[in-house]
Amino acid sequence: SQKIEQNSEALNIQEGKTATLTCNYTNYSPAYLQWYRQDPGRGPVFLLLIRENEKEKRKERLKVTFDTTLKQSLFHITASQPADSATYLCALPTDSWGKLQFGAGTQVVVTP
Amino acid sequence: SAVISQKPSRDICQRGTSLTIQCQVDSQVTMMFWYRQQPGQSLTLIATANQGSEATYESGFVIDKFPISRPNLTFSTLTVSNMSPEDSSIYLCSSATGVNEKLFFGSGTQLSVL
Repeated sequence: SQKIEQNSEALNIQEGKTATLTCNYTNYSPAYLQWYRQDPGRGPVFLLLIRENEKEKRKERLKVTFDTTLKQSLFHITASQPADSATYLCALPTDSWGKLQFGAGTQVVVTP
Repeated sequence: SAVISQKPSRDICQRGTSLTIQCQVDSQVTMMFWYRQQPGQSLTLIATANQGSEATYESGFVIDKFPISRPNLTFSTLTVSNMSPEDSSIYLCSSATGVNEKLFFGSGTQLSVL
């Protein structure tokens, strides 16, 4: 069955450092992968989409890589700030319409 | 982008009753989905709400328990029927303006069943 794995342990990081999150998947051949941010009591918010033919994508302080051979995506938050504290979810399409399956998410806590 | 209004935001219900959750999008969207998020867990897709036809349910979810309506391109409802404490969860409506597009989410409905 299709499976998405994200580190379940919270990532505690000091302000200014780079946070790196991992998303591994099995039994998928996705055309793209998406990353979302979720704050407590809120729905997820889209951050980035990276396609299978893209190695890297950047948006402001965010960087995503996508290695279809390793079946892995890395999500980086550079120069992290306390406002970056949230849970970050990766998601993969499970059909041609874009129906998404989500990983369990990794909580990031940035301390001043 | 799409802004999604979902209501109620929370409710406490008695076992055996039903609750209908409404989802209103501020623009016409192609895709609408309903997810469930149990405490401390990730999102699980319940079904795809299809405009003008029956919803498409994921494995483990059935129409009798979670009837869904989508009368037009901006509105959908999810009913949680004959509730039990195991239905206590956050229910999230989401939409996409096209296929294989990013999803927009409502703020969710936090349901507690006593």
